[in-house]
Amino acid sequence: GAGVSQSPSNKVTEKGKDVELRCDPISGHTALYWYRQSLGQGLEFLIYFQGNSAPDKSGLPSDRFSAERTGGSVSTLTIQRTQQEDSAVYLCASSQGVGNTGELFFGEGSRLTVL
Amino acid sequence: KNEVEQSPQNLTAQEGEFITINCSYSVGISALHWLQQHPGGGIVSLFMLSSGKKKHGRLIATINIQEKHSSLHITASHPRDSAVYICAAMRHSNYQLIWGAGTKLIIKP
Repeated sequence: GAGVSQSPSNKVTEKGKDVELRCDPISGHTALYWYRQSLGQGLEFLIYFQGNSAPDKSGLPSDRFSAERTGGSVSTLTIQRTQQEDSAVYLCASSQGVGNTGELFFGEGSRLTVL
Repeated sequence: KNEVEQSPQNLTAQEGEFITINCSYSVGISALHWLQQHPGGGIVSLFMLSSGKKKHGRLIATINIQEKHSSLHITASHPRDSAVYICAAMRHSNYQLIWGAGTKLIIKP
């Protein structure tokens, strides 16, 4: 597609359920980033992928969070046993490369509400 | 001390004024990004800088690598420029983006 696509755009779930968020980056972009923005807070880095590899997972808030990317394209962020504090907008961005090799393009985000 | 500091946090100006938003960082970076977020809207990348100066329409971004400082300027500001402007530094060691707190800009007609 022309831009970064995220789905679902809105997700309401009950505490304890698992959720899966999807990001479809711009074709050919090797770098993919996940962030989240909680209400009234700044952007929090979660994880980035260079190709299918995630060199730095230190930003994931807990072991309930995991992410994968296959085929160097689509990425999924999975949150297991969701908690209310997981409620946030989860943003995905992609670029041609990491570092100074590419401008960031953001998706519209997935708004997660955990009841 | 935050690794990326932005100022001012809030800025209200009249239409037509020249706007400057400042960003200082303390980490080694591979690139610095200026982003724009409209209320309830998504995030748009304005500039990616690793040196010098870039211009796009009424927007100008500069970076001084030695002083670890960047500025975003808006010339002939317009109410549609009202948004939150975010400076984000990409850490050289692990490509993690470190975000500034943002500057909320309001341009009054």
